[in-house]
Amino acid sequence: ETGVTQSPTHLIKTRGQQVTLRCSSQSGHNTVSWYQQALGQGPQFIFQYYREEENGRGNFPPRFSGLQFPNYSSELNVNALELDDSALYLCASSPGTSGSGETQYFGPGTRLLVL
Amino acid sequence: AQSVTQLGSHVSVSEGALVLLRCNYSSSVPPYLFWYVQYPNQGLQLLLKYTTGATLVKGINGFEAEFKKSETSFHLTKPSAHMSDAAEYFCAVSDAGGSYIPTFGRGTSLIVHP
Repeated sequence: ETGVTQSPTHLIKTRGQQVTLRCSSQSGHNTVSWYQQALGQGPQFIFQYYREEENGRGNFPPRFSGLQFPNYSSELNVNALELDDSALYLCASSPGTSGSGETQYFGPGTRLLVL
Repeated sequence: AQSVTQLGSHVSVSEGALVLLRCNYSSSVPPYLFWYVQYPNQGLQLLLKYTTGATLVKGINGFEAEFKKSETSFHLTKPSAHMSDAAEYFCAVSDAGGSYIPTFGRGTSLIVHP
């Protein structure tokens, strides 16, 4: 069984650019969530997708957007990058929306640096 | 609205000593509570969670936590620390039966001395 994978592992961008981060869910999982973890902080929920539809969103501006594909892989897109977007971006998959108590399985993350 | 407070950004123990990591939460509705561990350059791994039922929850690697509603706490313990337990630990809360927007604490770094 393959776990959650993310690509790339590291990325450097400049302010104003756009970035796409990718996530491959664990086999059999149809729900994916994205988190931003700034240095020295806990993860902050960005949004969740269930069967290709957005299923919940945290307090992030619209320039953070996502997609989930029929094979349940996912993308996080960030437009007009700002310095404060520098963080570790985590993807987590889960079997389905059995509620907010469901166990999530995290990938290793993509570390984004915005200069 | 919900929030999580983890007391102590760093906790230092000797190998073999008791581990106690503190977590207090606030939630306007019954909570689901979680503890995660994060090793360097890795994602988060679930240690244990409380959803319903028994308030003392046992997790992986010998960790356990007790949900105390009256104290709004969910402290994580382990009787005897191992060097391999050195990592960052996060407490998280979500609303039971509500929309899925979990809130994480800022984390506690566990340091284990030989």
